[in-house]
Amino acid sequence: ETGVTQSPTHLIKTRGQQVTLRCSSQSGHNTVSWYQQALGQGPQFIFQYYREEENGRGNFPPRFSGLQFPNYSSELNVNALELDDSALYLCASSSGEGFSYNEQFFGPGTRLTVL
Amino acid sequence: DAKTTQPPSMDCAEGRAANLPCNHSTISGNEYVYWYRQIHSQGPQYIIHGLKNNETNEMASLIITEDRKSSTLILPHATLRDTAVYYCIVSNTGGFKTIFGAGTRLFVKA
Repeated sequence: ETGVTQSPTHLIKTRGQQVTLRCSSQSGHNTVSWYQQALGQGPQFIFQYYREEENGRGNFPPRFSGLQFPNYSSELNVNALELDDSALYLCASSSGEGFSYNEQFFGPGTRLTVL
Repeated sequence: DAKTTQPPSMDCAEGRAANLPCNHSTISGNEYVYWYRQIHSQGPQYIIHGLKNNETNEMASLIITEDRKSSTLILPHATLRDTAVYYCIVSNTGGFKTIFGAGTRLFVKA
């Protein structure tokens, strides 16, 4: 069974640029959630996708957007990058709808640095 | 989703039980208690969850008080590899706004 993978592992961008982060779900999982984790803080929920539709969103502006594909892999897109977007971006997959009764399996994250 | 309160840090001697408390006094009847941990530079790892009964698995035990306003995660024989940040989360069925607090940083010392 393959776990959750994310790419790239590290990324450096400059203010105003756009970035796309990718996530492959664990086999058999149809729900993907994305989190932002600033240094020294807990992960903050960005949004969740279930069967290719956004299924809930945290307190993040519209320049944070996502996609889920038929194979349940996912992308997180961030436009007009700001310095405060520097963080570890985590992807988590689970089976069933939403958080439900099922635990989430997290990937190792993508470390984004915005200069 | 209800919020949780955890101590910022705790120490534990290797081989001893680590008891990590969590307060969730505003928990609703349909909300579960979940515990995750995050070892430095890795993604969070699921540990255990429960609704009202105590639960045990190969990693830990979860004790939930009768009024469900608090819980304790027990690592029965802590090892150095258990040094991590432990997050207590409450979330209802189908809840998707998973709210992680600051967690408890557990230091297991030799």
